[in-house]
Amino acid sequence: AQSVTQLDSQVPVFEEAPVELRCNYSSSVSVYLFWYVQYPNQGLQLLLKYLSGSTLVESINGFEAEFNKSQTSFHLRKPSVHISDTAEYFCAVGSSQGNLIFGKGTKLSVKP
Amino acid sequence: DAGVIQSPRHEVTEMGQEVTLRCKPISGHDYLFWYRQTMMRGLELLIYFNNNVPIDDSGMPEDRFSAKMPNASFSTLKIQPSEPRDSAVYFCASSFSAASGNTIYFGEGSWLTVV
Repeated sequence: AQSVTQLDSQVPVFEEAPVELRCNYSSSVSVYLFWYVQYPNQGLQLLLKYLSGSTLVESINGFEAEFNKSQTSFHLRKPSVHISDTAEYFCAVGSSQGNLIFGKGTKLSVKP
Repeated sequence: DAGVIQSPRHEVTEMGQEVTLRCKPISGHDYLFWYRQTMMRGLELLIYFNNNVPIDDSGMPEDRFSAKMPNASFSTLKIQPSEPRDSAVYFCASSFSAASGNTIYFGEGSWLTVV
């Protein structure tokens, strides 16, 4: 069975500091990995995804994630966060049944 | 494209009343998902459809919940009778098959409060 574990439920960080949100997955099939972001009072939206090829994927707003097959991880990083990055972040893996298996989410709180 | 459209955006209803949430998926998508999000349980998959056929409804909490997809452009999630513990944000989402790495697109959610 496929599963996703997000190790931190909440991550507080100061503005302009680096951040890493951790995600580990379990899958016995081809792995497609996703990070979604949910800003307050909004729906989830795709931040970035890994399908194949380069193990490092980037988003347009400075986030990046690295697929590590040996460690079954897909951690999300940003070298310098902004107040506007405050949101909840969900890691997910594509299942063979056609849906996504989501982690429980990590709430990133960026403080001035 | 207009994205996934949900209605109503907000609803407050009394316990025991019937609630119907509506969803219009992105045109051409063959998968449609209903999720529920609460502080206590996080994001839960309730049911999903492929080509209008329910594939997995194991996440539907109980018989009070039902979902239909009469055609490719419309789906409903109904709660009858509603209870205060049903208060949550309900998201509809659509995609091509995520098994091939396709992105699932979410609507803005329907915020339900049962008093």
